[in-house]
Amino acid sequence: SAVISQKPSRDICQRGTSLTIQCQVDSQVTMMFWYRQQPGQSLTLIATANQGSEATYESGFVIDKFPISRPNLTFSTLTVSNMSPEDSSIYLCSVDLQKNTEAFFGQGTRLTVV
Amino acid sequence: EDKVVQSPLSLVVHEGDTVTLNCSYEVTNFRSLLWYKQEKKAPTFLFMLTSSGIEKKSGRLSSILDKKELFSILNITATQTGDSAVYLCAVRVNTGKLIFGQGTTLQVKP
Repeated sequence: SAVISQKPSRDICQRGTSLTIQCQVDSQVTMMFWYRQQPGQSLTLIATANQGSEATYESGFVIDKFPISRPNLTFSTLTVSNMSPEDSSIYLCSVDLQKNTEAFFGQGTRLTVV
Repeated sequence: EDKVVQSPLSLVVHEGDTVTLNCSYEVTNFRSLLWYKQEKKAPTFLFMLTSSGIEKKSGRLSSILDKKELFSILNITATQTGDSAVYLCAVRVNTGKLIFGQGTTLQVKP
């Protein structure tokens, strides 16, 4: 299994500001993912964080709005930039240890933009 | 476009009842199907299914996959109030990403 530490757990931010969310894993992993869960909705993949190269973004998500870093195999950050109330969501990082194993999730970050 | 559809979207039952949650999918490059329980923020893993017809069981929960008809069910027997949660179905495709259904909100009343 994997232990994932995600910070912060929650935050309330002013519109126009940015927030960086950190995800630390207790072992080296190849695949790290960032998901968003808007209120009352299911999880939607934002991007795949690739170590040593640029993240791969899903349709509807762009690097300028959600820059991602992946400096090594145990750590990644997601920044939510120039926030608006529509960015209020739960953000989750997820890792795969190997192919065809369960996906492990961090504890999530509940973001409220006012 | 890949999609995962769950039904029902919400369900209210009484303790002791048995429930069946449904998940159908249309994806290219299917790798596996996973069920999660979400109570607060982080989903907790229940089952991963890769082969048709093989039931996975854990206590009162069980699940099975039909890769021909492209669906899975999650059964919960003798429900308890602690089973109240959102149940998420997700399909993993070859790139590794998970495509989630809308979730089923289950409320178990005493």
